[in-house]
Amino acid sequence: EAGVVQSPRYKIIEKKQPVAFWCNPISGHNTLYWYRQNLGQGPELLIRYENEEAVDDSQLPKDRFSAERLKGVDSTLKIQPAELGDSAVYLCASSLTLAAIVETDTQYFGPGTRLTVL
Amino acid sequence: SQQGEEDPQALSIQEGENATMNCSYKTSINNLQWYRQNSGRGLVHLILIRSNEREKHSGRLRVTLDTSKKSSSLLITASRAADTASYFCATERSYQLTFGKGTKLSVIP
Repeated sequence: EAGVVQSPRYKIIEKKQPVAFWCNPISGHNTLYWYRQNLGQGPELLIRYENEEAVDDSQLPKDRFSAERLKGVDSTLKIQPAELGDSAVYLCASSLTLAAIVETDTQYFGPGTRLTVL
Repeated sequence: SQQGEEDPQALSIQEGENATMNCSYKTSINNLQWYRQNSGRGLVHLILIRSNEREKHSGRLRVTLDTSKKSSSLLITASRAADTASYFCATERSYQLTFGKGTKLSVIP
């Protein structure tokens, strides 16, 4: 079974430029998450989707960040314009359900996109 | 914001030794999970322990949870060089996972 796919793996841009990340979750997983992981820190949730609906975007900086999950499958996360402080690894994860009803409902993470803003 | 706090921040042991990492958290939780992250790679789920459980085993992993102290520990027995990674605890509450800063484990062959 294929895991969570993310692209690109690495992205280097200059500040004020736009950037977009793409995520393809595990087939059949209804819930999709975007996290940001700063160096030396754990991941922090940006947004959570249940199918195509964003059920929790309270930690998404909406002035420059946007996300979509068309048709409840793939998702894109966009930053426009990027700032120096946005340099981080952006992780996508998916799970079968919103709650870990059974252990197999836990989140599966992609390899991430490492963003460097110069 | 980070809820979980792992201790120690870094740990270096010889292959074959046991490694113990601790996690403390602040609010009530539904469950607590441990993840491993190898350098430059995504997180891999290791084990989940629910708030009504006290101990759980999976292979060489043993997790304990003390909800009265709001703390958990992860024990890796008979460590291997391949166990070298960062280990994160994550607490789940209201469908949200909150990660700690992680413990960086180095297993020396």
